[in-house]
Amino acid sequence: DAGVTQSPTHLIKTRGQQVTLRCSPKSGHDTVSWYQQALGQGPQFIFQYYEEEERQRGNFPDRFSGHQFPNYSSELNVNALLLGDSALYLCASSLAGASYNEQFFGPGTRLTVL
Amino acid sequence: AQSVTQPDIHITVSEGASLELRCNYSYGATPYLFWYVQSPGQGLQLLLKYFSGDTLVQGIKGFEAEFKRSQSSFNLRKPSVHWSDAAEYFCAVVGVGGANNLFFGTGTRLTVIP
Repeated sequence: DAGVTQSPTHLIKTRGQQVTLRCSPKSGHDTVSWYQQALGQGPQFIFQYYEEEERQRGNFPDRFSGHQFPNYSSELNVNALLLGDSALYLCASSLAGASYNEQFFGPGTRLTVL
Repeated sequence: AQSVTQPDIHITVSEGASLELRCNYSYGATPYLFWYVQSPGQGLQLLLKYFSGDTLVQGIKGFEAEFKRSQSSFNLRKPSVHWSDAAEYFCAVVGVGGANNLFFGTGTRLTVIP
């Protein structure tokens, strides 16, 4: 059973460019969350997708957007990249429910903005 | 608002010695608390979680944590550290309002001396 997978592993972009990161959830999971982990920091919640809609959002600007597909996979898009967007981007999947369900994390995509 | 504080940025212990990593939380109700471990270049792995009930929680890899409501703490312990335990450790709490997102502390980096 494959866990959460993310692509690409590493990415280098320049300021002002746009980037798309991809995530495939663990089998059977229908909810995908994205987190940004800057160097030396803990992960910060960006947003969560369920039933192809953004269900909740953290304190991130509109430059950060996402999408969820019918097969539950998800994309994170960042426009007008800034140097401060350099980070490890983690995807987590879970099963929706009335109460909290464990999130399983992928290995992350390392984004470097030059 | 919820928050998590990990007072120790870096801890060094000798192999075979005991370990305690500190975590303090701020939360308006009974929190859902977690400890995750992150090895270099890896995603996050759940060590243990506390939702309710017994305040001493057992996890994987010989780790345990104790929830102390009076001290707003959820410290992670291990009686005898192995060299393979060297990693970054994150304490986290679930967001309020029925959300499924996690709020993480800034992490504690553990170095194990042979």
